Amino acid sequence: NAGVTQTPKFRVLKTGQSMTLLCAQDMNHEYMYWYRQDPGMGLRLIHYSVGEGTTAKGEVPDGYNVSRLKKQNFLLGLESAAPSQTSVYFCASSNSGQGGGYTFGSGTRLTVV
Amino acid sequence: AQSVTQLDSHVSVSEGTPVLLRCNYSSSYSPSLFWYVQHPNKGLQLLLKYTSAATLVKGINGFEAEFKKSETSFHLTKPSAHMSDAAEYFCVVSLGSGGYNKLIFGAGTRLAVHP
Repeated sequence: NAGVTQTPKFRVLKTGQSMTLLCAQDMNHEYMYWYRQDPGMGLRLIHYSVGEGTTAKGEVPDGYNVSRLKKQNFLLGLESAAPSQTSVYFCASSNSGQGGGYTFGSGTRLTVV
Repeated sequence: AQSVTQLDSHVSVSEGTPVLLRCNYSSSYSPSLFWYVQHPNKGLQLLLKYTSAATLVKGINGFEAEFKKSETSFHLTKPSAHMSDAAEYFCVVSLGSGGYNKLIFGAGTRLAVHP
């Protein structure tokens, strides 16, 4: 049972480069989320989706775009990477928006130099 | 404004001794509260959740937490620490009355367990 799978697990980017992080879930969850984790700050929500074809902004959406073309996939894009986007990125999914019951991926560690 | 404060960024205990990780929240109405654990290089895993059914909540791996409305606290405890409990712990508040509920994460408490 895969749960939530994130690819890649690690990546180093140069400033100004672009990349896409892929999140895939096999639990038929409606809700999907992208968070970033920085030391001493817990997790902060970047974007989320309440269903296929929908996306919405979270707390820290600037510099990121997302797409949910298929229910099982949620893509996070960085169009022009900046050093401030160095972070660990977590994807999560849930079968309701009520909190709890979130399944998290194992994270993508991104370094922008 | 709603927020979550984890009172200790680091806690160190000896194996076999009790664990106490402290969390205070601020909310204008009754929230749902959670504790998540993150082991090194892993994603977050739900330990337990409070959703107003009972104030003492039991979770996995022997952890439990007590919701105290008068103190706006939701501290996490375990009677006897095990080496495998070494991890980072996040107190989380879920806010909202329907549809999508926003999660507010505390900054985390890193638990170290010594032999």
